[in-house]
Amino acid sequence: DTEVTQTPKHLVMGMTNKKSLKCEQHMGHRAMYWYKQKAKKPPELMFVYSYEKLSINESVPSRFSPECPNSSLLNLHLHALQPEDSALYLCASSQRGLGQQETQYFGPGTRLLVL
Amino acid sequence: AQSVTQLGSHVSVSEGALVLLRCNYSSSVPPYLFWYVQYPNQGLQLLLKYTSAATLVKGINGFEAEFKKSETSFHLTKPSAHMSDAAEYFCAVSDHMNTGFQKLVFGTGTRLLVSP
Repeated sequence: DTEVTQTPKHLVMGMTNKKSLKCEQHMGHRAMYWYKQKAKKPPELMFVYSYEKLSINESVPSRFSPECPNSSLLNLHLHALQPEDSALYLCASSQRGLGQQETQYFGPGTRLLVL
Repeated sequence: AQSVTQLGSHVSVSEGALVLLRCNYSSSVPPYLFWYVQYPNQGLQLLLKYTSAATLVKGINGFEAEFKKSETSFHLTKPSAHMSDAAEYFCAVSDHMNTGFQKLVFGTGTRLLVSP
């Protein structure tokens, strides 16, 4: 089973709201990723967790706050977002995150609209 | 840093025709290369990957790609296009960050259009 699930599928929020995106995998992977994808663009890496520790933060604004409660679960907490943050947010996982040959498996994404 | 270039933001083929999507890489070390497909309003699905075991890599849905070091290319092909192949295709190279962690570097994508 190579499934990564994400909820919700769609999210509309105002600039003063607080919301969270959730990602789950049951493949025993120890690395999980958040990507942001704008329309007609490739995904851009935001965060990498390896063994439940934040390993990479690609200079993401603090209004995005990731959390990895356990090895299967990854959250992205959103607060005071801007309209330009509207995008498809993709979660991915891989075995450890430490090997170039590792395959990242992606979830279906959460489409976020900030009004 | 490693990178990939996808030539052609759009490729149009007729159903039953050969599909050829181009990807060239730039890497100072033997690369690990991936092709992902993204259907409308969905996430990315792995089609195939090259990890130096064989230069001709077969993937899902009848796709294959050939690694050519002399041409620094990893083009994706399918002998006969189906309507269901219409999607966005991303080539990616696996880079090693200074911290030791893997980072996928994506090309800009190629949208495949299939006409009846």
